[in-house]
Amino acid sequence: EVQLVESGGGLVKPGGSLRLSCAASGFTFSNAWMSWVRQAPGKGLEWVGRIKSKTDGGTTDYAAPVKGRFTISRDDSKNTLYLQMNSLKTEDTAVYYCTTFDALGGANFDYWGQGTLVTVSS
Amino acid sequence: SYVLTQPPSVSVAPGKTARITCGGNNIGSKSVHWYQQKPGQAPVLVIYYDSDRPSGIPERFSGSNSGNTATLTISRVEAGDEADYYCQVWDSSSDVVFGGGTKLTVL
Repeated sequence: EVQLVESGGGLVKPGGSLRLSCAASGFTFSNAWMSWVRQAPGKGLEWVGRIKSKTDGGTTDYAAPVKGRFTISRDDSKNTLYLQMNSLKTEDTAVYYCTTFDALGGANFDYWGQGTLVTVSS
Repeated sequence: SYVLTQPPSVSVAPGKTARITCGGNNIGSKSVHWYQQKPGQAPVLVIYYDSDRPSGIPERFSGSNSGNTATLTISRVEAGDEADYYCQVWDSSSDVVFGGGTKLTVL
């Protein structure tokens, strides 16, 4: 059974930093493309970014609102995905979901974690 | 940037058919995916590649895509189908795009 478990959320002041983690199990993590999707309170889904598998280059792509501030990385030896968030803004307040990204399935998010809440407030 | 437009809300009586639309410029040329999100829960993929169902998703859920509109159809609607539904595509210039979401209310 695929499991994605996020951690690291919390309250942070504007301009601060936070690192989220996502522990993966139930599938071959090293072969998977992974992504982060967020959802502001009462709002819709917003894609944050994606990291390819190392065999596919390991490159990253980001949505415009977070580009240059957020960094996605992975540790395949620990089956863990990370999201380093710097220069946080109040509008980054959201539940952050770790997801698998099925590039071969037409670019969809086939498995989701339960999410972790990040609150950016002074 | 590519934009997907969904109606904010759709209401349907139990046992009837619900249709949730997702509009986009020439969306018929793209692969459309649909997610169901119940209150307090993470989204779940219910349709991918326009009309394919992941394992475990009831046959009552189906999808179609043509022209400028993709449609998620839920047949024989049940109370448990009440949720927010989001469409999503990948676009060469915008990357991943989500629709704004549709709240399905079962009357």
